[in-house]
Order: sequence, then structure tokens, then C-alpha cells
Amino acid sequence: KQEVTQIPAALSVPEGENLVLNCSFTDSAIYNLQWFRQDPGKGLTSLLLIQSSQREQTSGRLNASLDKSSGRSTLYIAASQPGDSATYLCAVLLEYGNKLVFGAGTILRVKS
Amino acid sequence: NAGVMQNPRHLVRRRGQEARLRCSPMKGHSHVYWYRQLPEEGLKFMVYLQKENIIDESGMPKERFSAEFPKEGPSILRIQQVVRGDSAAYFCASSPLNLAGRQNYGYTFGSGTRLTVV
Repeated sequence: KQEVTQIPAALSVPEGENLVLNCSFTDSAIYNLQWFRQDPGKGLTSLLLIQSSQREQTSGRLNASLDKSSGRSTLYIAASQPGDSATYLCAVLLEYGNKLVFGAGTILRVKS
Repeated sequence: NAGVMQNPRHLVRRRGQEARLRCSPMKGHSHVYWYRQLPEEGLKFMVYLQKENIIDESGMPKERFSAEFPKEGPSILRIQQVVRGDSAAYFCASSPLNLAGRQNYGYTFGSGTRLTVV
């Protein structure tokens, strides 16, 4: 059974810091991994999708890496801003069946 | 493209009533997925549907919950005789095709329906 764990559960940093969010998964039989952002009371916004054959993806100040064999992914946020404050969710798409398995998320607060 | 549309955004029901949650997928998407997010927890898969077919309902509670995606109209998640434990955010996602084997495709999620049972 696939399990996805995100560390830390919560993070509070001053504006301008670079930070890393971690995601680990127990079963490497995945098609891809997605990082989502969720604002309080809102839906999910897809930030980055990394295919299982890829090592990393970049979008603006965000960089996500994937090490499928070790079951790890990191989301790197450069020069954090208060507007980055949200919950960040990691999810893997299983090879068997059309299911996304989510981690519980990291709650990020960037202080101005 | 209006994206994945869910309504209502907020729904309050008394214990024992029925809750009906609607999801209109993105234009051109024929695959719909429902997820539930309980307070302080991550999203959990409930059901995967194509038009007029339930493909995988392994995440659905066996009783009181049902889902459909008719030929015409939105997908409906129905919860009968709601209880306080059903209070959660229910998210719908859609995709244009079966994602099996397609590494570069992801889901598009709606904004969710927040169900409160009082």
C-alpha cells in the first residue's frame, strides 16, 4: 500500500529565505509526482508535475526534484515571499489504477 | 475554459438529511475523480468515473455514499443520511483520458464543496 509522508508538517520562515519541503513515498511504482498548493478554504493548484522518468522540474522560484528509486521528492522555494504562505501537498499517481495518493501536507508561513 | 466547476461551494445539512454534490469537468474531459479531505488530513481517493460508468469505487464507504456521471450533465456525489463524520471538503478532479501509462498528464481539481453536518 502506497504511503506518502511530508516533512515538516509546518514551517515558519522570514521573508527572503530559501526553503525545502520534503516528500517521501513507499512504493516506487508511480507514473508521476505532483506538487500542489492549497490556500485556506480553497481548492488545489498544481505547481509542478515530474514524470517518473525525470529528475526535476522548474517553474519560476520553484524547483522540484524526484528520486524515484529512493522514494523521495523535494520542493525548493527560492526567496520566499508572504504570498507563498499556504499548504503544500505532494501526490503520486500510482502505476496501477488512476489514483493520486496524497501526503498530509506542509503548512508554510512566510513572515514579512 | 472555466475549469472544473463544483457546486455548491458550501453545504450545511442536518444529521439524517441527504447531501448532493455536483461536479462539471473541464470541457473535453470525460474522466472524473472524487476525493475527500477530512479536517487536518490529506486528500483520500473515493471514486473514479467515466461517462455512465463507475471504474473504481474502492475508496467509497460501502453504505450511504453513491456516485454517478451520466451521459448528460454533471457528476453527482450523493451522501444519504449524513452524519457528523461526513463533514469534510469534497474535491472533484477531471482528466481528458485514462492516465494509466501517461506520465506527463495530471489532474485538474475543482475548488471543492465544504460539507458541514450539524
